[in-house]
Amino acid sequence: GAVVSQHPSRVICKSGTSVKIECRSLDFQATTMFWYRQFPKQSLMLMATSNEGSKATYEQGVEKDKFLINHASLTLSTLTVTSAHPEDSSFYICSARGGGPNTEAFFGQGTRLTVV
Amino acid sequence: RKEVEQDPGPFNVPEGATVAFNCTYSNSASQSFFWYRQDCRKEPKLLMSVYSSGNEDGRFTAQLNRASQYISLLIRDSKLSDSATYLCVVSTNAGKSTFGDGTTLTVKP
Repeated sequence: GAVVSQHPSRVICKSGTSVKIECRSLDFQATTMFWYRQFPKQSLMLMATSNEGSKATYEQGVEKDKFLINHASLTLSTLTVTSAHPEDSSFYICSARGGGPNTEAFFGQGTRLTVV
Repeated sequence: RKEVEQDPGPFNVPEGATVAFNCTYSNSASQSFFWYRQDCRKEPKLLMSVYSSGNEDGRFTAQLNRASQYISLLIRDSKLSDSATYLCVVSTNAGKSTFGDGTTLTVKP
């Protein structure tokens, strides 16, 4: 299957700093990328949907100024957690899709963020 | 009520058992349906898409009932390696995917 690479896989940062997470589709053009957050023993929660070249669409309750998403090319999307706080500690995961909603979305490996 | 609801689980079954997971969704505009598998601390991976006609892949069978807004996954002859969390995923035409909370399966020797 297609490959989506997410980096870094783990990051520990100090409270108040910003962290950037990259999501790359390695062998296909990702017209749409999704960012999810998963707290322990909970479901994947969609944070935002981004289409290449346009502004991301954020889900209700997700602060767009805190979670900056950039989808500048068909193979790269980034999520920046600004002014991170301990409650932002979570598993962040991206997925990418090259076609319409009936096509498979491929997931990155996920990033475990710990804010201390 | 959640948009996608799954059996709470966990399911603990012996090797060789048949186990079935259920999932219901509330958005009648949903167009695409999937089962994903997620191993502990790993990313979800597509197990199979779910079609109205039902589909089978080896030991796995998925069914969709649009009228009842219900999806199922049947696993026959369970293997130890089937132990994982199974996620029901429902997508609209706009491409928004909603995940169920997942059902955890543990297959024991």
